[in-house]
Amino acid sequence: AQKITQTQPGMFVQEKEAVTLDCTYDTSDPSYGLFWYKQPSSGEMIFLIYQGSYDQQNATEGRYSLNFQKARKSANLVISASQLGDSAMYFCAMREGKGSARQLTFGSGTQLTVLP
Amino acid sequence: DSGVTQTPKHLITATGQRVTLRCSPRSGDLSVYWYQQSLDQGLQFLIQYYNGEERAKGNILERFSAQQFPDLHSELNLSSLELGDSALYFCASRRGGASETGELFFGEGSRLTVL
Repeated sequence: AQKITQTQPGMFVQEKEAVTLDCTYDTSDPSYGLFWYKQPSSGEMIFLIYQGSYDQQNATEGRYSLNFQKARKSANLVISASQLGDSAMYFCAMREGKGSARQLTFGSGTQLTVLP
Repeated sequence: DSGVTQTPKHLITATGQRVTLRCSPRSGDLSVYWYQQSLDQGLQFLIQYYNGEERAKGNILERFSAQQFPDLHSELNLSSLELGDSALYFCASRRGGASETGELFFGEGSRLTVL
């Protein structure tokens, strides 16, 4: 079964508007972490934002915020005031494992295109 | 710049051949991870090392092997290469402490093309 699901293969947004990228996850572990990474066309993976399962408040990093709904097991990324440079593939990931044996499991990604 | 260095950046080889991808983690990071990203696919976890020892294994083929050396750099060996092995191979690292968030710092990847 998919542990991380991103149901939007592609999204379009007008420059300066906000966009929400969906992510749902599945885990029975009470302690987990959720991440978003950005992959531009150049290929590198850029960390954007992190949310811990016990964090009371939604994480924010500049124009990025994570809409964390624990009961619904969703961790959507909200990008405000989109810029042309935001066009990229976006991956949601979940931390699994314990101690030194942690790894990240990634979703299939959402290709975001920002239109001028 | 994440601080993770991967070489080579690009590699073209033929089916049946063997290649070695190298990774130098960020200074002080004990954990090294290898991921494979095939065309139009997400990242598939291959294997993780912590301070020289294998810690977790994912979808790594038997034709693939990896190791982490005492200086903490890591190598991923791919043998008997097939067309389907063409992919972007990422190395990532993190400190390795239990109190961390688990964020991974990625290298720029090694793009392997098997012809």
